Amino acid sequence: DAGVTQSPTHLIKTRGQHVTLRCSPISGHKSVSWYQQVLGQGPQFIFQYYEKEERGRGNFPDRFSARQFPNYSSELNVNALLLGDSALYLCASSHTDTAYEQYFGPGTRLTVT
Amino acid sequence: GQSLEQPSEVTAVEGAIVQINCTYQTSGFYGLSWYQQHDGGAPTFLSYNALDGLEETGRFSSFLSRSDSYGYLLLQELQMKDSASYFCATPIDKDQAGTALIFGKGTTLSVSS
Repeated sequence: DAGVTQSPTHLIKTRGQHVTLRCSPISGHKSVSWYQQVLGQGPQFIFQYYEKEERGRGNFPDRFSARQFPNYSSELNVNALLLGDSALYLCASSHTDTAYEQYFGPGTRLTVT
Repeated sequence: GQSLEQPSEVTAVEGAIVQINCTYQTSGFYGLSWYQQHDGGAPTFLSYNALDGLEETGRFSSFLSRSDSYGYLLLQELQMKDSASYFCATPIDKDQAGTALIFGKGTTLSVSS
C-alpha cells in the first residue's frame, strides 16, 4: 500500500509570495494533520481535519489555511510568506480511533528567501 | 496548555541500553506515543502507552506512569542504525478520530561503535 505522499518535495519562495502544499493520505485514512518542523525541534501542529471538517488549529497566524477534499487529500496554504516560515512541512494521516499512531509523509522543505 | 520535556541529547555505544525520559504537563492526558526520525526522514511511530506500565516491541520498550506524569523509551541492544531523533508525543484531545499530536522537542541519540 502507498504511504502518505506530499508534493512538492522542495520549494524555494520569496518573501511575500504564496505557497500551496499538497498531501494524499493513506487509503482509508480520513484524518489528516499538518505540522511544521524547524531544525532541531519537534513537529508543531498547524491544522487537523477529519471527514473534511477542521477539528483543530494550532497557534499559527491567519496567513495559514488548509482544507480537505472529498477524497481526503488536503492542501495547506500559506500567504505573505516570511523568512520564519522556512521549515519542513509534514502531513500525517491516521485511522479513525487511533490518532496516537500517525503516518507521516516525507514532507515539503520550504525555503523562503 | 500542554508541554513535553525530553533531554536534548543522549550518547551510547553499540550493544548498550539507553533510556530516554519524557515528562509532561497537560490539561488533559490521552496517552503517550513515541516516534523515531532519522536525519532527512519523516517521523515513524514506535509505540503508545494509554495506561500505566510497560509496552514491549522487540528491542524497544515504552513505560508510562500517569501519577508521575512521566514516561520513557528504552532501547536495548543498540545498533548504529538507532542513531536518530526520538520524540514523545501526546494527543491534543480525547477525540481519537479527530485530534493531532503535541510533540516534545526531541532527543538526539548518537550510537558509536
